[in-house]
Amino acid sequence: LAKTTQPISMDSYEGQEVNITCSHNNIATNDYITWYQQFPSQGPRFIIQGYKTKVTNEVASLFIPADRKSSTLSLPRVSLSDTAVYYCLVGDTNNAGNMLTFGGGTRLMVKP
Amino acid sequence: EAQVTQNPRYLITVTGKKLTVTCSQNMNHEYMSWYRQDPGLGLRQIYYSMNVEVTDKGDVPEGYKVSRKEKRNFPLILESPSPNQTSLYFCASSLSILDRGYEQYFGPGTRLTVT
Repeated sequence: LAKTTQPISMDSYEGQEVNITCSHNNIATNDYITWYQQFPSQGPRFIIQGYKTKVTNEVASLFIPADRKSSTLSLPRVSLSDTAVYYCLVGDTNNAGNMLTFGGGTRLMVKP
Repeated sequence: EAQVTQNPRYLITVTGKKLTVTCSQNMNHEYMSWYRQDPGLGLRQIYYSMNVEVTDKGDVPEGYKVSRKEKRNFPLILESPSPNQTSLYFCASSLSILDRGYEQYFGPGTRLTVT
């Protein structure tokens, strides 16, 4: 079963860059790595997705090493509104299905 | 507006009383899924559907049923709810996970309490 591991929590200050790493040692060859943001009492919201190397969009960057056993979500210059829980998601296609497995989430607290 | 809707948003029920939580999406997505979220356990997938009439078990399917008779709807059925199914439930949809990755759109959630 594909499993992901993330730090439970992180603290940062406004304006800093935040890097959250997710470990996914059993990722399958054709699986993507996807990150979500969730605010209290809301559904998760898609942030970024990648397969290998580096992906960047208007809100974040995603770094994936060649072995793909981990990934790092990078949030540049965080603000108070980035305080949320961040989830890493990989597929579980090794099990001949299309189940998706979320990590436990990283609670990011951004302080003034 | 592209969205995933769930109903009801809040539900308090008693043990054993059958209930259905509806989920509907207006984006013509093929993939739909149900998750439950519990404190300390994160998001766990209950069931998913790759397309109409195709459903599969996720990580925690026990005590739940689903159906996918139409592309836009994916109801979650609890035939005999028990207190351990008290949770926050999310429905999600995605265009296709086979070649588009896992960009899912989530509904607002249904908070279920079983007494």
